[in-house]
Amino acid sequence: AQSVTQLGSHVSVSEGALVLLRCNYSSSVPPYLFWYVQYPNQGLQLLLKYTSAATLVKGINGFEAEFKKSETSFHLTKPSAHMSDAAEYFCAVSDYNQGGKLIFGQGTELSVKP
Amino acid sequence: GAVVSQHPSRVICKSGTSVKIECRSLDFQATTMFWYRQFPKKSLMLMATSNEGSKATYEQGVEKDKFLINHASLTLSTLTVTSAHPEDSSFYICSARDAGTGGTEAFFGQGTRLTVV
Repeated sequence: AQSVTQLGSHVSVSEGALVLLRCNYSSSVPPYLFWYVQYPNQGLQLLLKYTSAATLVKGINGFEAEFKKSETSFHLTKPSAHMSDAAEYFCAVSDYNQGGKLIFGQGTELSVKP
Repeated sequence: GAVVSQHPSRVICKSGTSVKIECRSLDFQATTMFWYRQFPKKSLMLMATSNEGSKATYEQGVEKDKFLINHASLTLSTLTVTSAHPEDSSFYICSARDAGTGGTEAFFGQGTRLTVV
């Protein structure tokens, strides 16, 4: 079985500060890992994904994440937060055999202070 | 990127009535679609996997007779909430797997806010 844990249900940063959202996964097979962003009353938008290629993955809007197998982690970072980054962020895991079927973490709400 | 359209975006219905939500893949064929439910301030819970031309696979604890799923074509899956009650009020989101690109990614619809009064 696969699972995802996001540490911190709410993260608050100042505009221009580093954003770090933590995600740890559990999987008995090589995982596919995803980060999604959700704005209020909207669906999910893919930020980036790891599918067994490069361990450092760059996504949209300046976000990136690094797959660390030894730590079973896939933390999301952005060097400088913008006000528009305030949203809910979800980490998710899947495997090749279930491509498309995602198991989500609990979500982390990111607040950006002026 | 691939586009998934979900309709309606928002619906209010009376208790005891049924509501149908549509999920369409606009520019790709989706042999598999997924239906999620999201409670306020909560994560997404997978309800069922919808397979074109066959019965949906429901997750444990999801009532198949209450949440009817039909995947009649490669671009359309529907979720019908039957005899809706206020506790069914939620945000429902579909996603579709693009089998043509290897299926490693699922694309999400915009979601449907269901309110049962």
